[in-house]
Amino acid sequence: DAGVTQSPTHLIKTRGQQVTLRCSPKSGHDTVSWYQQALGQGPQFIFQYYEEEERQRGNFPDRFSGHQFPNYSSELNVNALLLGDSALYLCASSLLASGGYTSYNEQFFGPGTRLTVL
Amino acid sequence: SQQGEEDPQALSIQEGENATMNCSYKTSINNLQWYRQNSGRGLVHLILIRSNEREKHSGRLRVTLDTSKKSSSLLITASRAADTASYFCATAKRSNDYKLSFGAGTTVTVRA
Repeated sequence: DAGVTQSPTHLIKTRGQQVTLRCSPKSGHDTVSWYQQALGQGPQFIFQYYEEEERQRGNFPDRFSGHQFPNYSSELNVNALLLGDSALYLCASSLLASGGYTSYNEQFFGPGTRLTVL
Repeated sequence: SQQGEEDPQALSIQEGENATMNCSYKTSINNLQWYRQNSGRGLVHLILIRSNEREKHSGRLRVTLDTSKKSSSLLITASRAADTASYFCATAKRSNDYKLSFGAGTTVTVRA
């Protein structure tokens, strides 16, 4: 049973460029959340996708956008990269439809993508 | 901004000793969770405690929650070298809230 996978593992970009990060949820999961973790800090919630729509969003600018595909995998896109976007980007999956509407189902995190913006 | 604040920022203990770390938060919550992260990799969910619970155990882990003080503690008993990691608390405002608010974490080093 595959866990949450993310690609690529590492990525180096320059300011102003655009980047796409990918996430495949754990088998059987239908929800994907994205987090940004700056060095020495805790993760910050970017957004969550369910049924191919954005369900919740954190305090991130519109430069951060996402997408969820019919197979539940997800992409995180960041446009006009800034130096401050350098961070570990974590993806987490869960099962929302089966009790998740009224109670919390555990999220499983992937290993992350380390993005460096020069 | 981050909801939770862990204390201490760093902790160094000898193998076999207990490790205690605390988390304080600002607003009312539905549940509080503790996660472990090894060397900047993915997070591992350790335990979840709901706002109507005061204490919870899982193996060598003991978590307490005091909603009147808006604080929680995580105790790791009989620590092992493999417990070396960063530990984060995260809060959720509603029962089906996946928008977790994390603290900055406590880095625990267990010396052999």
